[in-house]
Amino acid sequence: GENVEQHPSTLSVQEGDSAVIKCTYSDSASNYFPWYKQELGKGPQLIIDIRSNVGEKKDQRIAVTLNKTAKHFSLHITETQPEDSAVYFCAASYGTSGTYKYIFGTGTRLKVLA
Amino acid sequence: KAGVTQTPRYLIKTRGQQVTLSCSPISGHRSVSWYQQTPGQGLQFLFEYFSETQRNKGNFPGRFSGRQFSNSRSEMNVSTLELGDSALYLCASSQRSGDNEQFFGPGTRLTVL
Repeated sequence: GENVEQHPSTLSVQEGDSAVIKCTYSDSASNYFPWYKQELGKGPQLIIDIRSNVGEKKDQRIAVTLNKTAKHFSLHITETQPEDSAVYFCAASYGTSGTYKYIFGTGTRLKVLA
Repeated sequence: KAGVTQTPRYLIKTRGQQVTLSCSPISGHRSVSWYQQTPGQGLQFLFEYFSETQRNKGNFPGRFSGRQFSNSRSEMNVSTLELGDSALYLCASSQRSGDNEQFFGPGTRLTVL
């Protein structure tokens, strides 16, 4: 069935270092891949997304890459800061027109150590 | 533009009771999706409503139901509550059904005793 695997489940980095979170999806028909950041006591917040016709997208310190052949996509955060500490979720959209749904990865708890 | 609002934010119920949660999407958004978030299962899709119609449904028992009103506000109902229903219930709104960005509300924390 549809599945999104996310690794690692926890990640600790020193402030200023880079962090990389990887996801693998199962349905080759997936065409939209968002990343969410969830802070304690809040709902997930969309931080960046990528569509299947694009290989890479960047927004300041955050970038996402997509390898459709391998069905992998990754989140890259450079120059990490303490405020980047949160749980990050990847997701993939599945379905046909009018019946889309999102499958989420299990989350990565990122800790940026000052 | 106001974000997604969910009420109530916290709720405590006992087994066997029923509960109704409410979600108001961003103005102009017509799609509302509901998710259950638990430490063990992560974010799991419950259902999506668009233009007052359920467009998609996840793998949850029939005790979980929802509806959407003409102003796009949505409610979800859980009947005959079980201990395992304790979770954070999130709703997300988007402009249309499909592969469009979703904006999440803060969630309703439901505790079943």
